[in-house]
Amino acid sequence: GQQLNQSPQSMFIQEGEDVSMNCTSSSIFNTWLWYKQDPGEGPVLLIALYKAGELTSNGRLTAQFGITRKDSFLNISASIPSDVGIYFCAGRSGNTPLVFGKGTRLSVIA
Amino acid sequence: GAVVSQHPSRVICKSGTSVKIECRSLDFQATTMFWYRQFPKQSLMLMATSNEGSKATYEQGVEKDKFLINHASLTLSTLTVTSAHPEDSSFYICSANRPPGELFFGEGSRLTVL
Repeated sequence: GQQLNQSPQSMFIQEGEDVSMNCTSSSIFNTWLWYKQDPGEGPVLLIALYKAGELTSNGRLTAQFGITRKDSFLNISASIPSDVGIYFCAGRSGNTPLVFGKGTRLSVIA
Repeated sequence: GAVVSQHPSRVICKSGTSVKIECRSLDFQATTMFWYRQFPKQSLMLMATSNEGSKATYEQGVEKDKFLINHASLTLSTLTVTSAHPEDSSFYICSANRPPGELFFGEGSRLTVL
């Protein structure tokens, strides 16, 4: 099925560094969602975005809904070891099923 | 706390048997639930959309007779893998929409078919 273009595919960073990842789509979306998945568990919703230009924070996480409605980014500030995991973006237009990015695998070196 | 609960989290079965996985929305009613399959180190692949009170909608390439979906109430959808074979071994995850548009996932069910 359709996939979003999520980048980077993987990242290795030092503890305390900031992290940025993004997703782009060829389609216009009206919802962007960001998830984190730990091994062997289901994805956990981090941030939900519903308006173009919207900037939303959840603790050290910040995500934005791009003005063009075709992209979104997620920033993590001052990374800590428990930030390790796979981060997925997901987007949707109307009531269509969510389309998922392929994920960004984050590794944090203490 | 969890808003979507999935059970069982792990199941091991013999080839040829059927396995049922339950997905429940805990504090909201979900007229629509979704079933995904995830292979190691890959993204989620939508298998089917489960509609309360009507037939599920399957994605292309997903066998509806193999993966039976029942959405009998506004808080429960079940996925039954019929006559399971080793190639059906995977991580199966359900999700449900909580208005206004947040999609929450269950904890996932790891199926191993021997």
